[in-house]
Amino acid sequence: AQSVTQLGSHVSVSEGALVLLRCNYSSSVPPYLFWYVQYPNQGLQLLLKYTSAATLVKGINGFEAEFKKSETSFHLTKPSAHMSDAAEYFCAVSEGTGNQFYFGTGTSLTVIP
Amino acid sequence: NAGVMQNPRHLVRRRGQEARLRCSPMKGHSHVYWYRQLPEEGLKFMVYLQKENIIDESGMPKERFSAEFPKEGPSILRIQQVVRGDSAAYFCASSPEQGAQPQHFGDGTRLSIL
Repeated sequence: AQSVTQLGSHVSVSEGALVLLRCNYSSSVPPYLFWYVQYPNQGLQLLLKYTSAATLVKGINGFEAEFKKSETSFHLTKPSAHMSDAAEYFCAVSEGTGNQFYFGTGTSLTVIP
Repeated sequence: NAGVMQNPRHLVRRRGQEARLRCSPMKGHSHVYWYRQLPEEGLKFMVYLQKENIIDESGMPKERFSAEFPKEGPSILRIQQVVRGDSAAYFCASSPEQGAQPQHFGDGTRLSIL
């Protein structure tokens, strides 16, 4: 069975500061891992995905995430926060077959001017 | 995610009424997934359908909820005799085939029960 834990339901950073959103997963099979962003009253937009290729994954809007098997982690980072990054971020895991996603409870990112 | 179309965007129902949520997958996609997002929570899987088949409904409540994906037309998530606890955002996602990644999500239907 898969599950996802996102540490920190709310994260605040200053504009220009490093963004770090944490995600730990559990999976009985090699996982597929995803980060999604959700703006208010909108659906989910894919930021990036890990599907067993390179462990450092680069996504859109300057975000990247590193798959660390030993730590069962897939933390999302961005070197310099922008005001437009303020949103809800969800980490998700899939086992690759069956295609069901298991989502974390989300992290709300606030960017302080 | 504009390719997956959900309507209505907002739906208000009184307790005991029926709610029908529609999802048109991206062109060429024959797999549809429904998720529910309760306030302050992540998305929870409800049901996975292919055209005319329910593949996995392990996340569906046992009563009042049903889903279909007919040969023609959108997928429908139906909630009968709605209760306050059904208030949530319901998201649909589609993919072209089983195992294809990633799923593309619609903008959701926000269901409010009075």
